[in-house]
Amino acid sequence: ETGVTQSPTHLIKTRGQQVTLRCSSQSGHNTVSWYQQALGQGPQFIFQYYREEENGRGNFPPRFSGLQFPNYSSELNVNALELDDSALYLCASSPASGANVLTFGAGSRLTVL
Amino acid sequence: KNEVEQSPQNLTAQEGEFITINCSYSVGISALHWLQQHPGGGIVSLFMLSSGKKKHGRLIATINIQEKHSSLHITASHPRDSAVYICAVHQGAQKLVFGQGTRLTINP
Repeated sequence: ETGVTQSPTHLIKTRGQQVTLRCSSQSGHNTVSWYQQALGQGPQFIFQYYREEENGRGNFPPRFSGLQFPNYSSELNVNALELDDSALYLCASSPASGANVLTFGAGSRLTVL
Repeated sequence: KNEVEQSPQNLTAQEGEFITINCSYSVGISALHWLQQHPGGGIVSLFMLSSGKKKHGRLIATINIQEKHSSLHITASHPRDSAVYICAVHQGAQKLVFGQGTRLTINP
């Protein structure tokens, strides 16, 4: 049974650019949630995808968007990057929406210059 | 005021000491998680609680739903326990709300 894998692990972008982060969910999990963790802070909920539809969203602007694919893997897209978008982006999968079991990936660390 | 508050924010102890990390929350929850995050970022789920107490090895987690409080205890602490410990609560079906984390350092 594979865990949650995220890519890339690290990347550097400049302000105004766009970024796509990827997440492969654990086998058997159909729900993926994305979180942003700024340095020294706890993670903040961005959104959740269940069966290819957005299924809940935190307090993030529309330039944060996502996709979920038929194999339940997911992408997080951020447009018009700002310096404050620099953070660790974490993906977690669960067996179903509302399930309390979570498996986290190792994260993608984004630096915006 | 954050919906999930942890204390202390930083904790340094000597190997072998008994460790307690506290978490208080102000919202209704369906479950509470204790998570461990090592340098580099990866998060490991230690416990999921909706009532009572759970034990795994040297780790014990308790929750008091009426008081909206949970504690994570580590017995016979070891330097490899050094990490950030995060309390997170399920608020509704989708949203997980995290505390700011407790940075634990165990010195040999």
